[in-house]
Amino acid sequence: EAGVVQSPRYKIIEKKQPVAFWCNPISGHNTLYWYLQNLGQGPELLIRYENEEAVDDSQLPKDRFSAERLKGVDSTLKIQPAELGDSAVYLCASSARGDGYTFGSGTRLTVV
Amino acid sequence: KQEVTQIPAALSVPEGENLVLNCSFTDSAIYNLQWFRQDPGKGLTSLLLIQSSQREQTSGRLNASLDKSSGRSTLYIAASQPGDSATYLCAVTFGNEKLTFGTGTRLTIIP
Repeated sequence: EAGVVQSPRYKIIEKKQPVAFWCNPISGHNTLYWYLQNLGQGPELLIRYENEEAVDDSQLPKDRFSAERLKGVDSTLKIQPAELGDSAVYLCASSARGDGYTFGSGTRLTVV
Repeated sequence: KQEVTQIPAALSVPEGENLVLNCSFTDSAIYNLQWFRQDPGKGLTSLLLIQSSQREQTSGRLNASLDKSSGRSTLYIAASQPGDSATYLCAVTFGNEKLTFGTGTRLTIIP
């Protein structure tokens, strides 16, 4: 089993540019999460999907962040335009109800 | 507000010692609790998952306990090794299915 796969692993962009992250969850996991982790902090939820439906996006800054999960499998997270404060690690996780969470390796974003 | 707290923020112990990491949470209505390990610049690796109906889980040198009534969990590491050096994160799935993380304990094992 490949686990949760994220790409790219690292991304450096200039401020005001757009950026997108991709996540492929574990096969059969209906629930998918995007988390943001700042240095020295625990991950914080951005959005949670149940299949293709976003059931909790209350922490997603919707003025610049968007996400989609077409067909209830892969997901993309987009930032447009990026700001310096968006520099962080973006983590994707998936789970099946009753089980724990499996995280991907994350995407480290640096906005310069 | 549902919160998860981990104390201490950092811990250094000599190799070979047993140690305990602490996690506390504010709402006893939890679904499960999970301990993760995170190495610098890496993602999260799941160590142990405790369902709300369980009191402990064991994997090798690791043992995690759960006391819902007091809102506490501990991660016990036996016979520590330098390779155990990492940040350990406690995460609680509360009854509303929201996973909330503590800020972690940065563990350093001194050879």
